[in-house]
Amino acid sequence: DTEVTQTPKHLVMGMTNKKSLKCEQHMGHRAMYWYKQKAKKPPELMFVYSYEKLSINESVPSRFSPECPNSSLLNLHLHALQPEDSALYLCASSQAPGNEQYFGPGTRLTVT
Amino acid sequence: GQNIDQPTEMTATEGAIVQINCTYQTSGFNGLFWYQQHAGEAPTFLSYNVLDGLEEKGRFSSFLSRSKGYSYLLLKELQMKDSASYLCAVKGNTGGFKTIFGAGTRLFVKA
Repeated sequence: DTEVTQTPKHLVMGMTNKKSLKCEQHMGHRAMYWYKQKAKKPPELMFVYSYEKLSINESVPSRFSPECPNSSLLNLHLHALQPEDSALYLCASSQAPGNEQYFGPGTRLTVT
Repeated sequence: GQNIDQPTEMTATEGAIVQINCTYQTSGFNGLFWYQQHAGEAPTFLSYNVLDGLEEKGRFSSFLSRSKGYSYLLLKELQMKDSASYLCAVKGNTGGFKTIFGAGTRLFVKA
Protein backbone atom coordinates (compact mmCIF):
# COMPACT_ATOMS: atom_id res chain seq x y z
CA ASP A 1 0.00 0.00 0.00
CA THR A 2 1.73 3.14 -1.19
CA GLU A 3 -0.86 5.79 -0.72
CA VAL A 4 -2.11 8.31 1.78
CA THR A 5 -5.88 8.45 2.10
CA GLN A 6 -7.95 11.33 3.41
CA THR A 7 -11.61 11.60 4.33
CA PRO A 8 -13.85 13.31 3.60
CA LYS A 9 -13.04 14.59 0.10
CA HIS A 10 -15.28 17.60 0.56
CA LEU A 11 -16.66 19.23 3.70
CA VAL A 12 -18.99 22.17 4.17
CA MET A 13 -19.39 23.39 7.72
CA GLY A 14 -20.86 26.32 9.57
CA MET A 15 -18.85 28.48 11.91
CA THR A 16 -20.35 26.83 14.99
CA ASN A 17 -19.84 23.23 13.84
CA LYS A 18 -17.30 20.69 15.07
CA LYS A 19 -15.86 18.33 12.49
CA SER A 20 -12.77 16.18 11.97
CA LEU A 21 -10.54 15.43 9.01
CA LYS A 22 -8.91 12.01 8.85
CA CYS A 23 -5.71 10.81 7.25
CA GLU A 24 -4.29 7.29 7.04
CA GLN A 25 -1.12 5.69 5.68
CA HIS A 26 0.13 2.11 5.80
CA MET A 27 3.64 2.66 4.50
CA GLY A 28 5.22 2.50 7.95
CA HIS A 29 6.09 6.19 7.75
CA ARG A 30 6.97 7.78 11.08
CA ALA A 31 6.34 11.42 10.21
CA MET A 32 2.95 12.87 9.28
CA TYR A 33 2.02 16.40 8.29
CA TRP A 34 -0.96 18.71 7.91
CA TYR A 35 -0.87 21.49 5.31
CA LYS A 36 -3.33 24.17 4.31
CA GLN A 37 -3.39 25.26 0.67
CA LYS A 38 -5.26 28.18 -0.82
CA ALA A 39 -5.84 28.48 -4.57
CA LYS A 40 -2.69 29.22 -6.58
CA LYS A 41 -0.55 29.26 -3.43
CA PRO A 42 1.94 26.69 -2.14
CA PRO A 43 1.09 24.32 0.70
CA GLU A 44 1.48 26.01 4.07
CA LEU A 45 2.73 23.80 6.88
CA MET A 46 0.47 23.58 9.93
CA PHE A 47 1.63 20.63 12.05
CA VAL A 48 4.22 17.86 12.02
CA TYR A 49 4.04 14.65 14.00
CA SER A 50 7.26 12.74 14.39
CA TYR A 51 7.10 9.24 15.88
CA GLU A 52 3.55 10.03 17.03
CA LYS A 53 4.59 13.16 18.93
CA LEU A 54 3.78 16.70 17.86
CA SER A 55 7.12 18.18 16.81
CA ILE A 56 6.10 21.31 14.90
CA ASN A 57 3.12 23.62 15.35
CA GLU A 58 3.40 26.59 13.04
CA SER A 59 1.51 28.92 15.38
CA VAL A 60 -1.80 27.55 14.15
CA PRO A 61 -4.95 28.96 15.84
CA SER A 62 -6.39 26.71 18.53
CA ARG A 63 -9.57 26.19 16.52
CA PHE A 64 -7.44 23.58 14.67
CA SER A 65 -6.47 20.67 16.92
CA PRO A 66 -4.32 17.80 15.61
CA GLU A 67 -4.29 14.29 16.98
CA CYS A 68 -2.17 11.25 16.17
CA PRO A 69 -3.87 8.19 17.69
CA ASN A 70 -1.25 5.79 16.28
CA SER A 71 1.53 5.63 13.72
CA SER A 72 -0.90 5.18 10.80
CA LEU A 73 -3.54 7.75 11.62
CA LEU A 74 -3.65 11.52 11.80
CA ASN A 75 -6.71 13.60 12.60
CA LEU A 76 -7.41 17.32 12.44
CA HIS A 77 -10.26 18.45 14.69
CA LEU A 78 -12.02 21.63 13.61
CA HIS A 79 -14.11 23.89 15.82
CA ALA A 80 -15.49 27.42 15.43
CA LEU A 81 -13.78 27.99 12.08
CA GLN A 82 -13.88 31.21 10.11
CA PRO A 83 -14.74 31.63 6.41
CA GLU A 84 -11.07 32.45 5.70
CA ASP A 85 -10.22 28.90 6.83
CA SER A 86 -11.82 27.59 3.65
CA ALA A 87 -9.03 25.83 1.75
CA LEU A 88 -7.66 22.48 0.63
CA TYR A 89 -6.25 20.59 3.63
CA LEU A 90 -3.51 18.19 2.68
CA CYS A 91 -2.08 15.38 4.76
CA ALA A 92 1.35 13.97 3.97
CA SER A 93 3.67 11.36 5.37
CA SER A 94 7.36 10.57 5.08
CA GLN A 95 9.53 7.69 6.16
CA ALA A 96 11.30 9.94 8.66
CA PRO A 97 11.14 13.68 9.40
CA GLY A 98 12.65 15.62 6.51
CA ASN A 99 12.39 12.86 3.90
CA GLU A 100 10.35 13.22 0.72
CA GLN A 101 6.67 13.51 1.48
CA TYR A 102 3.76 11.58 0.04
CA PHE A 103 0.56 13.55 -0.06
CA GLY A 104 -3.04 12.47 0.23
CA PRO A 105 -5.64 13.86 -2.20
CA GLY A 106 -6.79 16.46 0.31
CA THR A 107 -10.06 17.58 1.86
CA ARG A 108 -11.66 20.63 0.29
CA LEU A 109 -13.16 22.56 3.19
CA THR A 110 -15.72 25.33 2.87
CA VAL A 111 -16.72 27.29 5.96
CA THR A 112 -20.03 29.13 5.64
CA GLY B 1 14.89 34.16 7.38
CA GLN B 2 13.70 31.99 4.55
CA ASN B 3 13.22 33.08 0.95
CA ILE B 4 12.58 30.83 -2.02
CA ASP B 5 12.15 32.35 -5.49
CA GLN B 6 10.77 30.73 -8.61
CA PRO B 7 9.27 32.24 -11.77
CA THR B 8 5.51 32.50 -11.49
CA GLU B 9 4.67 31.10 -14.92
CA MET B 10 6.37 29.57 -17.94
CA THR B 11 5.13 28.42 -21.31
CA ALA B 12 6.82 25.84 -23.50
CA THR B 13 6.02 23.76 -26.57
CA GLU B 14 5.31 20.04 -26.67
CA GLY B 15 8.49 18.08 -27.38
CA ALA B 16 10.77 20.90 -26.20
CA ILE B 17 13.02 21.22 -23.13
CA VAL B 18 12.24 23.61 -20.29
CA GLN B 19 14.32 24.64 -17.27
CA ILE B 20 12.60 25.89 -14.12
CA ASN B 21 14.90 27.78 -11.77
CA CYS B 22 14.76 28.11 -8.02
CA THR B 23 16.93 30.31 -5.84
CA TYR B 24 16.86 30.15 -2.08
CA GLN B 25 18.19 31.94 0.98
CA THR B 26 17.57 29.99 4.14
CA SER B 27 19.00 30.03 7.63
CA GLY B 28 19.96 26.37 7.30
CA PHE B 29 20.06 23.94 4.38
CA ASN B 30 19.80 20.17 4.37
CA GLY B 31 18.42 19.36 0.92
CA LEU B 32 16.05 20.52 -1.80
CA PHE B 33 12.98 18.81 -3.21
CA TRP B 34 10.99 19.29 -6.39
CA TYR B 35 7.29 18.41 -6.44
CA GLN B 36 4.75 18.45 -9.26
CA GLN B 37 1.18 19.52 -8.60
CA HIS B 38 -1.59 19.30 -11.18
CA ALA B 39 -4.51 21.67 -10.71
CA GLY B 40 -6.87 20.40 -8.03
CA GLU B 41 -4.60 17.52 -7.07
CA ALA B 42 -2.02 16.83 -4.38
CA PRO B 43 1.72 17.43 -4.90
CA THR B 44 3.77 14.43 -5.99
CA PHE B 45 7.48 14.00 -5.28
CA LEU B 46 9.82 14.35 -8.27
CA SER B 47 13.38 14.65 -7.00
CA TYR B 48 15.71 15.37 -4.11
CA ASN B 49 19.18 16.94 -4.15
CA VAL B 50 21.44 17.36 -1.17
CA LEU B 51 24.86 17.38 -2.85
CA ASP B 52 25.98 19.62 -5.70
CA GLY B 53 25.37 18.26 -9.15
CA LEU B 54 22.78 16.79 -11.43
CA GLU B 55 20.32 14.00 -10.59
CA GLU B 56 18.64 12.42 -13.59
CA LYS B 57 15.38 10.50 -13.51
CA GLY B 58 13.97 9.72 -16.93
CA ARG B 59 12.71 12.88 -18.62
CA PHE B 60 13.27 14.92 -15.46
CA SER B 61 16.60 16.09 -14.05
CA SER B 62 17.36 18.32 -11.09
CA PHE B 63 20.51 20.30 -10.41
CA LEU B 64 21.82 21.86 -7.21
CA SER B 65 24.54 24.37 -6.42
CA ARG B 66 24.73 24.86 -2.66
CA SER B 67 27.30 27.65 -2.87
CA LYS B 68 25.02 29.67 -5.15
CA GLY B 69 21.75 28.79 -3.40
CA TYR B 70 20.42 27.65 -6.75
CA SER B 71 18.59 24.69 -8.23
CA TYR B 72 16.82 23.93 -11.46
CA LEU B 73 14.43 21.30 -12.72
CA LEU B 74 14.91 20.28 -16.34
CA LEU B 75 12.04 18.67 -18.21
CA LYS B 76 12.84 17.07 -21.57
CA GLU B 77 10.54 15.91 -24.38
CA LEU B 78 7.68 17.89 -22.93
CA GLN B 79 4.22 16.37 -23.01
CA MET B 80 0.85 18.05 -22.57
CA LYS B 81 0.43 16.20 -19.27
CA ASP B 82 3.47 18.07 -17.91
CA SER B 83 1.29 21.18 -17.62
CA ALA B 84 1.28 21.65 -13.85
CA SER B 85 2.79 23.66 -11.03
CA TYR B 86 6.33 22.78 -10.02
CA LEU B 87 7.21 23.45 -6.41
CA CYS B 88 10.74 23.89 -5.11
CA ALA B 89 10.99 23.03 -1.40
CA VAL B 90 13.96 23.51 0.90
CA LYS B 91 14.67 21.40 3.96
CA GLY B 92 16.30 23.14 6.92
CA ASN B 93 18.78 21.56 9.28
CA THR B 94 17.09 22.50 12.52
CA GLY B 95 13.61 22.33 14.01
CA GLY B 96 12.71 18.84 12.88
CA PHE B 97 14.10 19.35 9.35
CA LYS B 98 11.19 21.56 8.42
CA THR B 99 10.54 21.80 4.67
CA ILE B 100 9.48 25.16 3.25
CA PHE B 101 7.75 25.34 -0.13
CA GLY B 102 8.34 28.00 -2.72
CA ALA B 103 5.34 29.61 -4.40
CA GLY B 104 5.65 27.28 -7.40
CA THR B 105 6.00 27.77 -11.13
CA ARG B 106 2.96 27.15 -13.31
CA LEU B 107 4.07 25.50 -16.53
CA PHE B 108 1.83 25.59 -19.58
CA VAL B 109 2.72 23.16 -22.38
CA LYS B 110 1.21 24.07 -25.74
CA ALA B 111 0.88 21.97 -28.87
